[in-house]
Amino acid sequence: NAGVMQNPRHLVRRRGQEARLRCSPVKGHSHVYWYRQLPEEGLKFMVYLQKENIIDESGMPKERFSAEFPKEGPSILRIQQVVRGDSAAYFCASSPIRLELRADTQYFGPGTRLTVL
Amino acid sequence: DQQVKQNSPSLSVQEGRISILNCDYTNSMFDYFLWYKKYPAEGPTFLISISSIKDKNEDGRFTVFLNKSAKHLSLHIVPSQPGDSAVYFCAASGDTGTASKLTFGTGTRLQVTL
Repeated sequence: NAGVMQNPRHLVRRRGQEARLRCSPVKGHSHVYWYRQLPEEGLKFMVYLQKENIIDESGMPKERFSAEFPKEGPSILRIQQVVRGDSAAYFCASSPIRLELRADTQYFGPGTRLTVL
Repeated sequence: DQQVKQNSPSLSVQEGRISILNCDYTNSMFDYFLWYKKYPAEGPTFLISISSIKDKNEDGRFTVFLNKSAKHLSLHIVPSQPGDSAVYFCAASGDTGTASKLTFGTGTRLQVTL
């Protein structure tokens, strides 16, 4: 009964390279959320996706960041041309239903720690 | 604009005593509140939640209190145990059409000493 899986757990990139972070939700969950935690800060919402749809991307930086959750396979958070300020822990969460029903919560993965040199 | 605030970055409590973690919020649209616990190098783990229609929710050693008029909630852990040592995050969501979006505080690091 696997929980949310994220890989890689640690990712090192040089400035200007691309970073791809993957998230496999809990089996049966069709809602995925990405959060970013900068050092000494709380988690900040980035994007909420359902299968093949972006529901809310109000927390995504306007440039260089994109996310997808295809019909098959994991959700991907992609950061193009990374800069040092992108260094952070990126957490993925999943839930089976919309939280407005208040019947469930978001289950978080262990995170990917991105370091930009 | 920090809509969810945890003003105490750290707290130290003796084993067996009560731990009280506090959280304040500014957005009146928030109507659902959660507490998460986080160990180093792991993701947050859900602890307990409360809807704005309640003022208290209890689950074992954990109780969350909500004071809507003060926009304040607190998490009580009693008795505290060494395994409770972790960072605790308060989070909130609201009925804004994007209720699935959680807004987190900056966390309080709890250390339970022997």
